[in-house]
Amino acid sequence: EVQLVESGGGLVQPGGSLRLSCAASGFTFSTYWMHWVRQVPGKGLVWVSRINSDGSSISYADSVKGRFTISRDNAENTLFLQMNSLRAEDTAVYYCAAGVSYWGQGTLVTVSS
Amino acid sequence: QPVLTQSPSASASLGASVKLTCTLSSGRSSYAIAWHQQQPEKGPRYLMNINSDGSHSKGDGIPDRFSGSSSGAERYLTISSLQSEDEADYYCQTWGTGILVVFGGGTKLTVL
Repeated sequence: EVQLVESGGGLVQPGGSLRLSCAASGFTFSTYWMHWVRQVPGKGLVWVSRINSDGSSISYADSVKGRFTISRDNAENTLFLQMNSLRAEDTAVYYCAAGVSYWGQGTLVTVSS
Repeated sequence: QPVLTQSPSASASLGASVKLTCTLSSGRSSYAIAWHQQQPEKGPRYLMNINSDGSHSKGDGIPDRFSGSSSGAERYLTISSLQSEDEADYYCQTWGTGILVVFGGGTKLTVL
């Protein structure tokens, strides 16, 4: 059974940092391009970042460029998102997705003082 | 980057059929798209890919009630024999330059 399990969300003050993780199982993680997608509660899906299968190619949405860093550990079947200089507008549920074919259940990030 | 346009809402009766539309922006009629379903309080679920010729490939375990088609710049998701659990938000998605992912605004489907 394919599983993507996000963790690391929580409440953080503006300007703070969080590191999200996404543990993958049930498929060959190392062959999939991986994505982070976020969703403000009650709103639509917004793509955040993607990384290719071996980590050599990375892209970000303009809204997070320079603040967020995506990475992966294929030996541990895990995807990461390091989020720095967080803003109130980064508040959302963050989903990881494998090639957009498989999705996790999300982890909530709340940026508030 | 491509832009995807979806109607904000749709409704249909239990047991009936509904056809949701996703429209690609000008000059992008050759693009493939994907449909995703998001039931209340859940993560999204991949339904299928649809190519410009209407051919489509479904995700694991997606019922035959879900089908896809294409006409010009429009991509369709048809759900037949509507069930209560089909009440959800439906998002279309495509790929821009550099395999960036673009989502439509979503359609909220109400099953009456």
